[in-house]
Amino acid sequence: NAGVTQTPKFQVLKTGQSMTLQCAQDMNHEYMSWYRQDPGMGLRLIHYSVGAGITDQGEVPNGYNVSRSTTEDFPLRLLSAAPSQTSVYFCASSYSQGVYGYTFGSGTRLTVV
Amino acid sequence: DAKTTQPTSMDCAEGRAANLPCNHSTISGNEYVYWYRQIHSQGPQYIIHGLKNNETNEMASLIITEDRKSSTLILPHATLRDTAVYYCIVRVGSVAAGNKLTFGGGTRVLVKP
Repeated sequence: NAGVTQTPKFQVLKTGQSMTLQCAQDMNHEYMSWYRQDPGMGLRLIHYSVGAGITDQGEVPNGYNVSRSTTEDFPLRLLSAAPSQTSVYFCASSYSQGVYGYTFGSGTRLTVV
Repeated sequence: DAKTTQPTSMDCAEGRAANLPCNHSTISGNEYVYWYRQIHSQGPQYIIHGLKNNETNEMASLIITEDRKSSTLILPHATLRDTAVYYCIVRVGSVAAGNKLTFGGGTRVLVKP
């Protein structure tokens, strides 16, 4: 039981490049979400999914795309990276929309130059 | 979700109990109190949650006042590994709540030898 696995752990991109941050969970959780955390700030919700085939926007969705083709995986795509997207990204999953708590991954530290 | 107020920081001696306060004076009847912590550079970790009764698990105890306007997270025997930012979050504990966790500033706890 690995919990929530995020890859890669670190990434440097050039402005305008695209990439996909991977998130996988093996707990059969219906709910998955992506947050970003900027220095000295709390987490902000980017996108979330309540089940396979269903996604929705969070607080800061611009510049990001998601899809949920399986229960296990919830990748986050950066369409055209910008320096403002330099951040630490966390994926989280939960049973029953977090009523019993969320499990977070260890994060992906992204730098856009 | 109701707003919470926590002290910015606090120190605690190793081996002693750490009592972390949280004010949530506008909490609604159907809102739960959740506690998470974030150890440096790691993803947030769920600790405990409660509605009106005091709760205890292997990590901590949660004491909620009778009027539910404030609560205290108790780490019974703090260790150096408990050094982290602790977040008190109030949210509706049902599937109708949506997928968002609102993280405020939290309390930065430093456990000293």
